Amino acid sequence: DTGVSQDPRHKITKRGQNVTFRCDPISEHNRLYWYRQTLGQGPEFLTYFQNEAQLEKSRLLSDRFSAERPKGSFSTLEIQRTEQGDSAMYLCASSPGLTPLHFGNGTRLTVT
Amino acid sequence: RKEVEQDPGPFNVPEGATVAFNCTYSNSASQSFFWYRQDCRKEPKLLMSVYSSGNEDGRFTAQLNRASQYISLLIRDSKLSDSATYLCVVNRNSGYALNFGKGTSLLVTP
Repeated sequence: DTGVSQDPRHKITKRGQNVTFRCDPISEHNRLYWYRQTLGQGPEFLTYFQNEAQLEKSRLLSDRFSAERPKGSFSTLEIQRTEQGDSAMYLCASSPGLTPLHFGNGTRLTVT
Repeated sequence: RKEVEQDPGPFNVPEGATVAFNCTYSNSASQSFFWYRQDCRKEPKLLMSVYSSGNEDGRFTAQLNRASQYISLLIRDSKLSDSATYLCVVNRNSGYALNFGKGTSLLVTP
């Protein structure tokens, strides 16, 4: 399967803990995105990479959130000092251009 | 004002019906418009792009009204398999990424 892969699928953590998610994009795609989706809402943009450069960050991405894409391949999204409001599905997507975005299955985060 | 606004529905229609979804966007400089489809507990997938002159893909027709900053999606002859959430999508100011609306839920019943 050469689609976008995300790991883990599910993460349950206690408030205040740090979590890290990984995304492996489609190999020939140089664009990589992180989105967050809660129930009943559409995906909310978090950040965008072109190759290894992080070119845009949403205001939603507080200083507790950091994303990296070393060497322009896989990406990680870290959330420090998690809060209950961080509970959501974190979606990674990659694309060869503006569209189509190819989404992964997501990482569901539950903060207790 | 949200950047992309949609009526969340749900829209419940019988098989064979025609249904239309609307969407408005706030940035008059937006250049790229799309409809994505999201099935329950699945990831969003591109349904179709939306062009200024309007475009059709089988039973699906998309229209764009730049003056009113309004996008529509028309589904003719609805099938049970059309049941999903339809997301209106517009490029962000930066042009790098996309903003998604909240989605409109469609349920097609036998």
